[in-house]
Amino acid sequence: QKEVEQNSGPLSVPEGAIASLNCTYSDRVSQSFFWYRQYSGKSPELIMSIYSNGDKEDGRFTAQLNKASQYVSLLIRDSQPSDSATYLCAVKGSFGNEKLTFGTGTRLTIIP
Amino acid sequence: NAGVMQNPRHLVRRRGQEARLRCSPMKGHSHVYWYRQLPEEGLKFMVYLQKENIIDESGMPKERFSAEFPKEGPSILRIQQVVRGDSAAYFCASSADRYNSPLHFGNGTRLTVT
Repeated sequence: QKEVEQNSGPLSVPEGAIASLNCTYSDRVSQSFFWYRQYSGKSPELIMSIYSNGDKEDGRFTAQLNKASQYVSLLIRDSQPSDSATYLCAVKGSFGNEKLTFGTGTRLTIIP
Repeated sequence: NAGVMQNPRHLVRRRGQEARLRCSPMKGHSHVYWYRQLPEEGLKFMVYLQKENIIDESGMPKERFSAEFPKEGPSILRIQQVVRGDSAAYFCASSADRYNSPLHFGNGTRLTVT
């Protein structure tokens, strides 16, 4: 089982709709969870961080965390063509395993 | 620019040569991570360092690769006797602490081995 799993996509969403990206992780004691966006040929850019169960909203982005189900998601409201990118879920372990482990990413395309 | 600085942006080496990649963390950050990304693949963890210490090198190949983060100066990822399979984008990231802070990435070094 991969440590962090995402659907690779591609995921196509009409402009203005909600894009939903999902991620599961295997290490039950993981403490910190992040979503990064990566445009082709560029470096990963931090979008959201979440540490406790529930929802966290920042502008058009909402991160959701369910530690019991070992599940993290990212919702993008009012999707724009500029949101077209690969979205990376990343999980940081607990003491002794502090490296950040990435999923393979979901490629999102917003259709004008 | 207070962000993570990597250089060079592009590096071309012939097989058998050495590659040295440099990374200066964000101001105030003392935790540095190196990742490798092959074309169309995900980010693979290589090594995590604090000043003068290697904390986790579980992702580093056993041979030819080494990393350091000296008391003064940038972190260095060194690849000896490069092979074509080493061609990739190498990203450095830094964080403010060991546990909860997110990682902030530099622009990467694209290594091409000919």
